[in-house]
Amino acid sequence: KQEVTQIPAALSVPEGENLVLNCSFTDSAIYNLQWFRQDPGKGLTSLLLIQSSQREQTSGRLNASLDKSSGRSTLYIAASQPGDSATYLCAVGNSNYQLIWGAGTKLIIKP
Amino acid sequence: GAGVSQTPSNKVTEKGKYVELRCDPISGHTALYWYRQSLGQGPEFLIYFQGTGAADDSGLPNDRFFAVRPEGSVSTLKIQRTERGDSAVYLCASRSGVSAGELFFGEGSRLTVL
Repeated sequence: KQEVTQIPAALSVPEGENLVLNCSFTDSAIYNLQWFRQDPGKGLTSLLLIQSSQREQTSGRLNASLDKSSGRSTLYIAASQPGDSATYLCAVGNSNYQLIWGAGTKLIIKP
Repeated sequence: GAGVSQTPSNKVTEKGKYVELRCDPISGHTALYWYRQSLGQGPEFLIYFQGTGAADDSGLPNDRFFAVRPEGSVSTLKIQRTERGDSAVYLCASRSGVSAGELFFGEGSRLTVL
């Protein structure tokens, strides 16, 4: 049974720092992995989708990597800004439609 | 539409009442999901539609919950005899095609059962 873990549950860093959020999964047979952002009281916004055959995806200051063999994905945020404060969730595609979710990392960027 | 639209954004009801939550997915998206999210948790899967049919309803917690998508577009999540434990944010998401792809979420419907 696939399990997805995100550690730490919360992270607070000063503005301007580069940071890494972690997502680990137990079964390497995945279809894809998707990172989302959720602001308080809001829905989820898709950030990056990495297909099983890919190693990384980049969008602006965000870079997501995927290492299936070790069951890990990282979301790298460069030059963090207060507007990056949100909860970041990863979801592993377990089949052509099923997603297994982590509980998220709550990120606070201090001005 | 431009994005996934959910109505109502907030619903307060009394225990035992019937509730309907609506989701209007992105135009042309054949796959539609309903999730439920409690504070501090990741989304909990409820049901997945491919077109008009419920391809997987294994996440529906009990027979008080039902969802339909009669024309393969708009979906309605129906909750009968609501209980206080049903209070949560109900999220709808859609994506195109049948293969795993990027998922787009609505803003959610916050349900409070008093």
